[in-house]
Amino acid sequence: NAGVTQTPKFQVLKTGQSMTLQCAQDMNHEYMSWYRQDPGMGLRLIHYSVGAGITDQGEVPNGYNVSRSTTEDFPLRLLSAAPSQTSVYFCASMGRAYEQYFGPGTRLTVT
Amino acid sequence: AQTVTQSQPEMSVQEAETVTLSCTYDTSESDYYLFWYKQPPSRQMILVIRQEAYKQQNATENRFSVNFQKAAKSFSLKISDSQLGDAAMYFCAYRSGYRGGGADGLTFGKGTHLIIQP
Repeated sequence: NAGVTQTPKFQVLKTGQSMTLQCAQDMNHEYMSWYRQDPGMGLRLIHYSVGAGITDQGEVPNGYNVSRSTTEDFPLRLLSAAPSQTSVYFCASMGRAYEQYFGPGTRLTVT
Repeated sequence: AQTVTQSQPEMSVQEAETVTLSCTYDTSESDYYLFWYKQPPSRQMILVIRQEAYKQQNATENRFSVNFQKAAKSFSLKISDSQLGDAAMYFCAYRSGYRGGGADGLTFGKGTHLIIQP
């Protein structure tokens, strides 16, 4: 099993550009989520999904969109990048014992 | 909303010694789960240990154990026989046992940077 995979590992955007961060898992987990990690802030929940076709907002959803068309994939879209979105982004899926498995992260810089 | 507090931004311990990382949380719920995650410089988030609130017995995983004090809302992590590979950021996290309404994610503390002195 590859677990949770994320692409790209690094990305630099200009203000106003859009992009999609990809996330996939091969553990057949229903629940997936996106977090951002900023220095000194820990991880904060952006959006989550409890299954294909179902998504909901987390703590910091503004500026991000998600969709869940399959169990395996949960992409995160930045509609119009802003410098405040410079962060490390983690995708995660949840197992039966409520433990969360994280991807390797994407470091995004918006200039 | 639940909050998780890690009051030690940084801790240092000699190799082979024991260290305890503190975590407190605030919740009005009775059903929840608590976790410790390790984040080495590679930035990968690694689950260290988990605790169900309904279980009185403290969880242990090899050299890692917790001291779960439900009434005090305290969840500390003890690392015995510290090794150089234990050096990392450690995050305490809370998850509600209730689904829906934004409760499905983890709430993290700000982390403790653990330094292992050789």
